[in-house]
Amino acid sequence: EVQLVESGGGLVQPGGSLRLSCAASGFTFRSYWMHWVRQVPGKGLVWVSRINNDGSITSYADSVKGRFTISRANAKSMLYLQMNSLRAEDSAMYYCARDSSSALDIWGQGTMLIVSS
Amino acid sequence: SYVVTQPPSVSVAPGKTARITCGGNKIGSKSAHWYQQMPGQAPVLVIYYDSDRPSGIPERFSGSNSGNTATLTISRVEAGDEADYYCQVWDTSSDHVVFGGGTKLTVL
Repeated sequence: EVQLVESGGGLVQPGGSLRLSCAASGFTFRSYWMHWVRQVPGKGLVWVSRINNDGSITSYADSVKGRFTISRANAKSMLYLQMNSLRAEDSAMYYCARDSSSALDIWGQGTMLIVSS
Repeated sequence: SYVVTQPPSVSVAPGKTARITCGGNKIGSKSAHWYQQMPGQAPVLVIYYDSDRPSGIPERFSGSNSGNTATLTISRVEAGDEADYYCQVWDTSSDHVVFGGGTKLTVL
């Protein structure tokens, strides 16, 4: 079964750091670009970041550029999002998603981040 | 940066046809994708490349994209179609993925 499972969310103080993980299974992870998308409960989807299949090319939303870093470990079928200098407005459900020629065809169930003192 | 605009809500009676629009400058020159999100669940891709359906998505779901508007059409709407729907494109100029604000489909 093709599956993405996120982990690593939790409660963090403003200014703190956290790393989210996404475990992929059921497909050849190294062949796909991957994304992080976030959603504040009750609000819309917001794209966060994308990484190409070998990790050499990344892209970020302006709101997280310079604070977040996307990376991957193809040998482990893992996707990561390192988040630094966290702000209250970063609080959201974070989803990882697989890219199939610009469509996000597989999504995980998400991991929740709360940034609060 | 590129912006796509959706109506916040669309209402339709069961058995009728729902049309959800996604407006953007020359969006017809881009590939539009559509997602369905049920409450408390992750999004699910229902239309890709403007009008293609992933396996498992009912034929009642269809899409089109031309000019400044992409459209998701749901025929013979059922109560189970009630959800939030999002359009998405890839803005090649910024290399950013762009989502519409989402449309809440209500089945009357």
